[in-house]
Amino acid sequence: DTGVSQNPRHKITKRGQNVTFRCDPISEHNRLYWYRQTLGQGPEFLTYFQNEAQLEKSRLLSDRFSAERPKGSFSTLEIQRTEQGDSAMYLCASSSTTSGGDYEQYFGPGTRLTVT
Amino acid sequence: GNSVTQMEGPVTLSEEAFLTINCTYTATGYPSLFWYVQYPGEGLQLLLKATKADDKGSNKGFEATYRKETTSFHLEKGSVQVSDSAVYFCARQPGGGADGLTFGKGTHLIIQP
Repeated sequence: DTGVSQNPRHKITKRGQNVTFRCDPISEHNRLYWYRQTLGQGPEFLTYFQNEAQLEKSRLLSDRFSAERPKGSFSTLEIQRTEQGDSAMYLCASSSTTSGGDYEQYFGPGTRLTVT
Repeated sequence: GNSVTQMEGPVTLSEEAFLTINCTYTATGYPSLFWYVQYPGEGLQLLLKATKADDKGSNKGFEATYRKETTSFHLEKGSVQVSDSAVYFCARQPGGGADGLTFGKGTHLIIQP
């Protein structure tokens, strides 16, 4: 078990471009969460999946943001028409809520997005 | 709505000093409470948790008690070390343990030798 991984670790893009991030959760974790963290702030919840179903989306998740988890394993977060305000660290976490799971959210290292 | 308020940093202490980082939360429902730590250059790690009133979470010499009457979950350690220098985040999660976390803004702790 290698933990939660995220790719890329850093992304620099120009305003107006689309970007996509990937998160690979701990294997067999059924829940996957996305958060956004800006400098000097705590992470803010964006959305989460149970298996392939997206169960909750925060008000922060504007219509330019879309997340998928097509096979209930890895997930992607896409931001369309990026804006400078999208510059942040995007964090992924996973947890197990099945029998025997500890419900703890394990975080990945994050993808740092810079929009120029 | 749900929120978490924690003391602003940075907090600077000398090695072996006593540490308290205050955290209060909104009392909606029966939340679980957490302290996460982020060491320099590393990802968020769970430090300790408490899932119901009067529970005490503890790990690595840190402790926090779930106080329903004061809606608080203050982090304490009796004798801090330089290696404890990090950013500490208090967080709440709605009862049931499966939903998104609401974090405080974080407290940067600096321990001087």
